[in-house]
Amino acid sequence: DVKVTQSSRYLVKRTGEKVFLECVQDMDHENMFWYRQDPGLGLRLIYFSYDVKMKEKGDIPEGYSVSREKKERFSLILESASTNQTSMYLCASSLGSQGGNQPQHFGDGTRLSIL
Amino acid sequence: ILNVEQSPQSLHVQEGDSTNFTCSFPSSNFYALHWYRWETAKSPEALFVMTLNGDEKKKGRISATLNTKEGYSYLYIKGSQPEDSATYLCASDNYGQNFVFGPGTRLSVLP
Repeated sequence: DVKVTQSSRYLVKRTGEKVFLECVQDMDHENMFWYRQDPGLGLRLIYFSYDVKMKEKGDIPEGYSVSREKKERFSLILESASTNQTSMYLCASSLGSQGGNQPQHFGDGTRLSIL
Repeated sequence: ILNVEQSPQSLHVQEGDSTNFTCSFPSSNFYALHWYRWETAKSPEALFVMTLNGDEKKKGRISATLNTKEGYSYLYIKGSQPEDSATYLCASDNYGQNFVFGPGTRLSVLP
């Protein structure tokens, strides 16, 4: 089974702090994604990556950056945390596009609170 | 941005009832439609990947149909059980890479 591991289930940080959310997958997937989930809005894509050192903006990238130095690890960075970034963050991975119609596999999520 | 909608937003049924809910998506440039089940405190779990118009897939008591011409998919649960309680998400697969998720249908099955 694919395992996607997020470093923390719960995290509390203060406004202005730099926050790192880490995600590791163990199935050699090319694609990795970061989403946030807010009530009534569903999962919204923040950033994604199709390969090492490659990144693309999703629908709501403002206030975030990402890093993919190794294939198995995709980090989400909140450069200067703000209260409107309080949310549930989900990481996912999938085979590359040549895999065709592949489902995304999710981590358990990190519930981040910014005070 | 594609707009994927789901209805109803939430649903309460009695154990043993059958139920269904809807996912609607833009029919132009359709590539694939994914269904997930997301139980509280767990990660979303993939249920189905659907690609062809008229597709019908089944997994135990859960099944799904797809109409790509009119842009909708139905998820059916036969004889609901308390363990079926979860949020059911659908996602439109944009050329096999980015997903656009609907807001989900929250199902509660009462014993």
